[in-house]
Amino acid sequence: DAGVTQSPTHLIKTRGQHVTLRCSPISGHKSVSWYQQVLGQGPQFIFQYYEKEERGRGNFPDRFSARQFPNYSSELNVNALLLGDSALYLCASSPDSDQPQHFGDGTRLSIL
Amino acid sequence: GQNIDQPTEMTATEGAIVQINCTYQTSGFNGLFWYQQHAGEAPTFLSYNVLDGLEEKGRFSSFLSRSKGYSYLLLKELQMKDSASYLCAVKASGTYKYIFGTGTRLKVLA
Repeated sequence: DAGVTQSPTHLIKTRGQHVTLRCSPISGHKSVSWYQQVLGQGPQFIFQYYEKEERGRGNFPDRFSARQFPNYSSELNVNALLLGDSALYLCASSPDSDQPQHFGDGTRLSIL
Repeated sequence: GQNIDQPTEMTATEGAIVQINCTYQTSGFNGLFWYQQHAGEAPTFLSYNVLDGLEEKGRFSSFLSRSKGYSYLLLKELQMKDSASYLCAVKASGTYKYIFGTGTRLKVLA
């Protein structure tokens, strides 16, 4: 079975632009979470979606938004990009929100 | 507040046993997870504890004491490929947030 897939793998943007990151969960997983990881730190929780509804939100500004589609795939959108948004963005899926999460390989976002 | 503490770095020798500790303070508790992350790669799930006690999975074991807010990951028969960061994460009850520690960088020496 395919694992969690994310696209693109790498992305370079400039300040002020917006970006959309995509995630396909493991087949049968209904919960998708997004994390931001900067070098030397653990992943920071951004959002969790379950059955297309937002179930949790971390301490990120409103420039960050997400959604989940009927097929359980998800998008993370970031507007008005700042240099500090440069990070590895990880998507994780699980069958439901209480079970261990499985991560995709991430999207490495660089802001110039 | 919510806080997770892990040592920043540890070094051990191939074939040895190493214990990585994790202490946490969260508003409620609904499970503790350990992940392995090699440099430049995504975290890989290792173990999950929700009740007190020891969970064993091959060379890896994880222990939890909820009353002490404490867990450890035990790695036996260390191999060079075990050199990685080990992340402790807690899911607080009543929320859907997973809180990760900063990770422990383990170096395994020949």
